[in-house]
Amino acid sequence: IAGITQAPTSQILAAGRRMTLRCTQDMRHNAMYWYRQDLGLGLRLIHYSNTAGTTGKGEVPDGYSVSRANTDDFPLTLASAVPSQTSVYFCASSDGGGDTGELFFGEGSRLTVL
Amino acid sequence: AQSVTQPDIHITVSEGASLELRCNYSYGATPYLFWYVQSPGQGLQLLLKYFSGDTLVQGIKGFEAEFKRSQSSFNLRKPSVHWSDAAEYFCAVVGLYNHGGKLIFGQGTELSVKP
Repeated sequence: IAGITQAPTSQILAAGRRMTLRCTQDMRHNAMYWYRQDLGLGLRLIHYSNTAGTTGKGEVPDGYSVSRANTDDFPLTLASAVPSQTSVYFCASSDGGGDTGELFFGEGSRLTVL
Repeated sequence: AQSVTQPDIHITVSEGASLELRCNYSYGATPYLFWYVQSPGQGLQLLLKYFSGDTLVQGIKGFEAEFKRSQSSFNLRKPSVHWSDAAEYFCAVVGLYNHGGKLIFGQGTELSVKP
């Protein structure tokens, strides 16, 4: 059972470079999310998508973009990475657009921007 | 704005001892509350959730939580901790008035278990 698959698991990136974090789910969930996890700050929502073809901004969207061309994939792009984007990124999905249900998380992508 | 606070950054308990992790929320109406657990190097897993009804909710792995409206709290408890419970625990609330109805997480509490 795969659930949520994220790639890469870890990446070191030079500042100013473009980077796309991939996320794929095989549960046919409508909603998908990207969070970043930073020590002392917990998880903060970057972007979300309630259903294929729609996206929305979360708490910390600046510097990030997402797309949702189909149900399964929800890539997160950093157009020009900066050191403050060093973080662990988690993709998640849920069955339904609202958060009255359970979120299923991937194992995370650790990104270091130098 | 809605928020959730976990006052304890790190807690250490002995194996077999009881555990209580604190969570306080700010919200006007009845919130949707969650506890998630994150094992090292892993994503988060749902432990339990509260929407309405009985204020004492049971979750997986022997955990329970009690919703107390008067104290704006949703503390997580376990009667007897096992070494495998060492992890980071996150309280979360649905942000109905902001964040598009998405989960707002607390800062997390790291649990260490002494043998």
